[in-house]
Amino acid sequence: KQEVTQIPAALSVPEGENLVLNCSFTDSAIYNLQWFRQDPGKGLTSLLLIQSSQREQTSGRLNASLDKSSGRSTLYIAASQPGDSATYLCGSRGSTLGRLYFGRGTQLTVWP
Amino acid sequence: DAGVIQSPRHEVTEMGQEVTLRCKPISGHNSLFWYRQTMMRGLELLIYFNNNVPIDDSGMPEDRFSAKMPNASFSTLKIQPSEPRDSAVYFCASSGTYYEQYFGPGTRLTVT
Repeated sequence: KQEVTQIPAALSVPEGENLVLNCSFTDSAIYNLQWFRQDPGKGLTSLLLIQSSQREQTSGRLNASLDKSSGRSTLYIAASQPGDSATYLCGSRGSTLGRLYFGRGTQLTVWP
Repeated sequence: DAGVIQSPRHEVTEMGQEVTLRCKPISGHNSLFWYRQTMMRGLELLIYFNNNVPIDDSGMPEDRFSAKMPNASFSTLKIQPSEPRDSAVYFCASSGTYYEQYFGPGTRLTVT
């Protein structure tokens, strides 16, 4: 069974900082990895999907990397803004068809 | 695209009552997932379907829970009888060819 861990559990930074969120997984035989954000009381919004054959994906100020050999993915947020405040979750799709294994998330607060 | 649609958005019921949650996946997606989210346990996969067929229901907590997917555009999650410990936010998600999952807004269930 895939185990996914996210560190840190919570992060508080001033506006403008560049920051890195970490996601580690135990089974390197993944098909893809997906990063989500969740605002309080809302559903999960997909941010980036990295296929197993890719090393990174970028969308605006977000960049996600994938290193299967070390079982790690990072989400880099450039020039953070208060609107980035949310919980960020990563999900790893392993060898089992279809399902994602989720971490517990990193709760990010960006203060003005 | 309307995204994943869930109803109701909020449900308050008394212990012992039957609860039915509904989900309409994104058109063309062939996989559908039911999750439950609580503060204590995080995001848990309950069951998922591929081409309307249940693939893995190992996350269904008890026989009180059942899920159906009669066609590609509709799924239900039923709890009978409901208990206070079933109180949670229930999410439905769907995915297509590239396995990127899209979540619905969730149903907040409160069992008193």
